[in-house]
Amino acid sequence: ETGVTQSPTHLIKTRGQQVTLRCSSQSGHNTVSWYQQALGQGPQFIFQYYREEENGRGNFPPRFSGLQFPNYSSELNVNALELDDSALYLCASSFTADTQYFGPGTRLTVL
Amino acid sequence: AQSVAQPEDQVNVAEGNPLTVKCTYSVSGNPYLFWYVQYPNRGLQFLLKYITGDNLVKGSYGFEAEFNKSQTSFHLKKPSALVSDSALYFCAVRDANNAGNMLTFGGGTRLMVKP
Repeated sequence: ETGVTQSPTHLIKTRGQQVTLRCSSQSGHNTVSWYQQALGQGPQFIFQYYREEENGRGNFPPRFSGLQFPNYSSELNVNALELDDSALYLCASSFTADTQYFGPGTRLTVL
Repeated sequence: AQSVAQPEDQVNVAEGNPLTVKCTYSVSGNPYLFWYVQYPNRGLQFLLKYITGDNLVKGSYGFEAEFNKSQTSFHLKKPSALVSDSALYFCAVRDANNAGNMLTFGGGTRLMVKP
């Protein structure tokens, strides 16, 4: 196991609602990246946080936002949920630009 | 821009036979290349990476990958497949000139190893 944990494991929401997903980084890691993996596809980069600042963003709308805390844990927030937001959300931690280690993911279902 | 192609949705191999999972990439600068494996209802597990140096990279569980700059490929290989190797495999690339650490993944290849 990588030491990266995510909560919750599963989540069901309805369209228009807001959701917060959480990630705890591996010890010694200062960078967190979030990815969205739709069914049958590869992960897509959402954004990355380094030392509590956003350090890069993929092609996702502003309703996807995040936070990184002083202990390097992180949150992903999604507002105004849409059906297409249903996916596995993966958090990965790393030490700066070194290898990323992934958590088990949070499965989000939007009804 | 960076991109990865995994041309095979599925690879079937008999246990004990060698396996190859193909990956080609495109980046504007020098590539950092990675292979990850995903088991059902699990996150991605890191297998190996190429940063620089020897073109043949050895990783976890007996896997290795060969970097070929002229063919822009990074194929995953294993000399003797196990049934337990059956999983979804993802190739990923990062541009070394990119200050961030964004990985771009391929669509994945399902490996089926039959007894």
